[in-house]
Amino acid sequence: DIVMTQSPDSLAVSLGERATINCKSSQSVLYSSNNKNYLAWYQQKPGQPPKLLINWASTRESGVPDRFSGSGSGTDFTLTISSLQAEDVAVYYCQQYYSTPGITFGPGTKVDIK
Amino acid sequence: EVQLVESGGGLVQPGGSLRLSCAASGFTFSSYWMTWVRQAPGKGLEWVANIKQDVSERYYVDSVKGRFTVSRDNAKNSLYLQMNSLRAEDTAVYYCAKGGSWYGNWGQGTLVTVSS
Repeated sequence: DIVMTQSPDSLAVSLGERATINCKSSQSVLYSSNNKNYLAWYQQKPGQPPKLLINWASTRESGVPDRFSGSGSGTDFTLTISSLQAEDVAVYYCQQYYSTPGITFGPGTKVDIK
Repeated sequence: EVQLVESGGGLVQPGGSLRLSCAASGFTFSSYWMTWVRQAPGKGLEWVANIKQDVSERYYVDSVKGRFTVSRDNAKNSLYLQMNSLRAEDTAVYYCAKGGSWYGNWGQGTLVTVSS
C-alpha cells in the first residue's frame, strides 16, 4: 500500500495569512500515461463529513474558494490556503487514488487561528 | 442534489454483527462505484471497502477481509456493509461515499460502537 504522510501535524495561522500543508506519498502517484497525479485534498470540520476540495492534485472542485490551491507532483504535494479565513479552521487530509482499490489517506493536519 | 443517508449503526458487543445501509438519491446510483470509509473517534480517515457498479468487483482493507461484506441493490439505490465478528477497533463513524477514486459526496455517517 502507498503510505501517505503529512506535515505539520497542526499549525496556527493568523487571519489573512498563508497556511501551507505538505503531503508526501511513499511512491509516486503520477501516472505516466496521462501525466496526472492521483491525489485529492479534503477539509473536515468537527461533526461533519469530509469535503472534497481538490482532485488531480491541483483541480479545485466547483464552489471551492480560490484561496485554496494544490500543487506538486510525483511524491510531494502542497495544499495552500492563501489568506486564512475563520471558516477554514478544520482538519485537512490528502488522499491517493493511484493505487486503487487500496486507497489511502494521510493522517491529517489541523489548522487553527493564531 | 446528491444525498447519501447511512443507517444501522449502534452499540454491539465484541464478536457481534451489524448491517449498515446507505440510501442514495439525486444521481444514477447504478452508474457509480460506491465506497465505505470509516473514522475512529478522534482519528483519521480509513478506506474500508468499495464495490463496482455491477457488483463484479469488491475490495476490502486487510483488517476487515473475511469479516465485512459490501453489497448493493441498484434497484433500491442502496449500499450495504455487513459487519461480522466485530472488534473494539472497528468502533468508528462509518461513511458511505459516491465513487471509487476520490469522493465528492459523503453521507453524514453512522456511529458503530463495539463494546461490552
